[in-house]
Order: sequence, then C-alpha cells, then structure tokens
Amino acid sequence: ILNVEQSPQSLHVQEGDSTNFTCSFPSSNFYALHWYRWETAKSPEALFVMTLNGDEKKKGRISATLNTKEGYSYLYIKGSQPEDSATYLCASGTDSSYKLIFGSGTRLLVRP
Amino acid sequence: SQTIHQWPATLVQPVGSPLSLECTVEGTSNPNLYWYRQAAGRGLQLLFYSVGIGQISSEVPQNLSASRPQDRQFILSSKKLLLSDSGFYLCAWTHGTPSYEQYFGPGTRLTVT
Repeated sequence: ILNVEQSPQSLHVQEGDSTNFTCSFPSSNFYALHWYRWETAKSPEALFVMTLNGDEKKKGRISATLNTKEGYSYLYIKGSQPEDSATYLCASGTDSSYKLIFGSGTRLLVRP
Repeated sequence: SQTIHQWPATLVQPVGSPLSLECTVEGTSNPNLYWYRQAAGRGLQLLFYSVGIGQISSEVPQNLSASRPQDRQFILSSKKLLLSDSGFYLCAWTHGTPSYEQYFGPGTRLTVT
C-alpha cells in the first residue's frame, strides 16, 4: 500500500447503532497513526495518535486499534449519536519525514 | 494556550489574480507548520510544510508557493490563480515528529471564478 486508504467512503447509521471504519496505511517505516474528526464548518480535531503495534485507545464511546505489521487501524463508535456525524480522517506518518499523509475520510451520518 | 489564526475566512478571486493567505500561531515557539487543501469531493492534500524559518518543503508541483518569514507565520501565495486552485485551505501546526497531533486553523474557503 503506497497511500492511506479509508473505507467506507460514507456511512449512514441509525442512532444507537455501533459502527466501525477502516484505515489502511503503508507499514514500512511506520511512525504514527492519527485519527481526526472533522465536523462541518469546523476544523479537524485530533481523536487519537497511536505509535505502537497493538495500541488501543479510547475516548468515551470512541475507540481505535492499531496493527502496524499489516498496516491497518480500526475506529469504533459505540452507540452512535447524531452529534457523532462528521468526517473521520486517518493519517499516517513515517520515521523519515515530518509530514502526515491523510486518507480521503469516512463521512458518517447518524440519523435520529 | 496555543491558538492558530487564518485569514481571510473566505475569498473569491478571478482567474489569473494573485493570492496571499496568512497563518499565524500564538503560544508556542518553533512549530512545524503545514498548508493543506481540500478540493471539492476530495481528501486533505498536503501542499507545503516547514520545520523552521525560511525552510519550505513542497509536496505538490503547482502554481502555489509558501514562505515562512517569521517563526510563527506561514504564508501561501500564488502569482496567477487557476480555476483548479479553488478549495478549502487549512493551516496546521505541531510540536515536532509525527507522534504529535496536529492543530488546525479555521480555514480559508477560496473560490476562483
């Protein structure tokens, strides 16, 4: 994998449903994996930054896991709420650069 | 606490006109600075980043340029805008390596007509 890829591109769920998204990234020279939430008319805000294989992080109803050997990360939202509606971005950084490469995002819409 | 400012918030410019977008960071020193663009229906594309005054790394060859005249100031410019330059421009900063989260500014919506 040469780029950061996210799936699905968009997702519509009902309030209360649990959901998850996938981020695939290059596993060579891996340094860090970021997840951001980007709400309409706002700036992206960081959810998690993970660096170690097997890392699991949690913030309220949102959690993320990381597999650096196979190059993927999952973001989980438990009991989705309408306020969770946003675009979720993942980004990968390597140990040879100060830059992050972003995926195209997963747009989540939670219907009340 | 640190804050990041961008201006203008919105801009409508004709094709062929110049561009200058400014980003400033307060409350930190020697940040890494980044310019991103989101074109319509696309993801977040890294345009330039800077790890110090006068140090600019360009990611995408195009008619845009960036400058960092001061430690906490990052400017995105163009001599002649193209229609394809339309999009949402975000400035971001971070402390250092990719293990630090990035903090984004409020963005500039640029429409080239």
